[in-house]
Amino acid sequence: QVQLVESGGGVVQPGGSLRLSCAASGFTFSSYGMHWVRQAPGKGLEWVAFIRYDGSNKYYADSVKGRFTISRDNSKNTLYLQMNSLRAEDTAVYYCAKDIAAADTIFDYWGQGTLVTVSS
Amino acid sequence: DIQMTQSPSSLSASVGDRVTITCQASQDISNYLNWYQQKPGKAPKLLIYDASNLETGVPSRFSGSGSGTDFTFTISSLQPEDIATYYCQQYDNLPPLVTFGPGTKVDIK
Repeated sequence: QVQLVESGGGVVQPGGSLRLSCAASGFTFSSYGMHWVRQAPGKGLEWVAFIRYDGSNKYYADSVKGRFTISRDNSKNTLYLQMNSLRAEDTAVYYCAKDIAAADTIFDYWGQGTLVTVSS
Repeated sequence: DIQMTQSPSSLSASVGDRVTITCQASQDISNYLNWYQQKPGKAPKLLIYDASNLETGVPSRFSGSGSGTDFTFTISSLQPEDIATYYCQQYDNLPPLVTFGPGTKVDIK
């Protein structure tokens, strides 16, 4: 069965960096686009970033553009999110999510999430 | 940017009631509209995709309709396990841009 397991969350000071990972299993990882979606405490869902199945295209929300970098290693079935210049407003649970098909932005599987807290 | 609104923001209904949530887009999004259920402390779960398609394994009491700017999500007979927050989500594939609605919290009366 499809599994997505995030890791790497924690507490970081403003201006600091953190790298999240999402280990995928149960499907052909290299055939699907992948996303990061976040949810601030008590708030709604916010899409963060997308990477094409082969890593050739990447897109970001304006709120993270220039600070976050999405990447993937298809040989390791792993998705990453490098987060730099972190701000208090980046505090959230970060989910990785899989596209339902090669070219559709429909999230059919989600990980359990990893909490990032930006605080001094 | 496309904005999504949902109404109501919360509702309370009895077991067995029909529950309807609406989602409105600020511009025509065709049928590029999905619905998710999120229970407290859990990841969202896809229920409906492309406005009206029921995801595999999702109970048939859930349904969706609409196109263009106005969409409806319905639970035909509310069950205790349906207590959750429901989000609509619009998408565009080229480039992949995503906007979620603010959510509707559903409680049992």
